[in-house]
Amino acid sequence: GAGVSQTPSNKVTEKGKYVELRCDPISGHTALYWYRQSLGQGPEFLIYFQGTGAADDSGLPNDRFFAVRPEGSVSTLKIQRTERGDSAVYLCASSVLAGGETDTQYFGPGTRLTVL
Amino acid sequence: GNSVTQMEGPVTLSEEAFLTINCTYTATGYPSLFWYVQYPGEGLQLLLKATKADDKGSNKGFEATYRKETTSFHLEKGSVQVSDSAVYFCARAGTGANNLFFGTGTRLTVIP
Repeated sequence: GAGVSQTPSNKVTEKGKYVELRCDPISGHTALYWYRQSLGQGPEFLIYFQGTGAADDSGLPNDRFFAVRPEGSVSTLKIQRTERGDSAVYLCASSVLAGGETDTQYFGPGTRLTVL
Repeated sequence: GNSVTQMEGPVTLSEEAFLTINCTYTATGYPSLFWYVQYPGEGLQLLLKATKADDKGSNKGFEATYRKETTSFHLEKGSVQVSDSAVYFCARAGTGANNLFFGTGTRLTVIP
C-alpha cells in the first residue's frame, strides 16, 4: 500500500515568507508526527496528533510554527516569517495506534526547506 | 540534552566485515528502543526494535539487544554488504511514548 507522502519535496523561500508543508499519512493511521532534521543531526520531535487534535506540541520551537490536521488525516505544518535557521528537512510520520509503546512510526521522504 | 548518544561516524568497512555501532540512552524507566536506517535517496525506515529489557531485535542480519544494566542498544551485523551502506539512527521512545528521541546518526560505507 501507499506509504507516507509529503509535498513539496523541496521548498525554497525567502526570509520572512510564509510556507506550508503537507503530509499525507498512511490510510487508517490514527497518529501523526512531525520532526525536523537539521544537517548532520537526527530528527527532532516537533508535534504529535492523535486524530484531529494536537496531543503534544512541546517540540515546536516558537509560535511561528503551527500545525493542523482538521479531518484526522492530512496534516499541514505552517511556518510564519521564516528565518534562515528554519532551513532543514521536515519529516512526517504516522502510526496505527495512538502512541503506544510498541507503536511503529512510518516516515515520509521529507520536505527539504531552504530559507534564503 | 540529547538522551540518545550514538557512535560518531563515518564508518567505512570492507564487505563481509563485522559491524558494531554503539548506542546508549538516558531515560526514566524502560522505553522502547529502535534502530532506523536511511538508505541514499530514501526516507527513514525502521530496521529493528526492542520493547523491553533483554529483548533482542533483529532484521536483515542486524541485531541489537536491550541492555538495561548498561543502558545500551548496540547494533551489530556479522558480515556487512555494500547494500548496507546507509545512515543508521538509534532512537528511544519518549516518556509519553508518542514521540521518538534520535541519536545524531552514523554513516556507514561498505566498500567491495
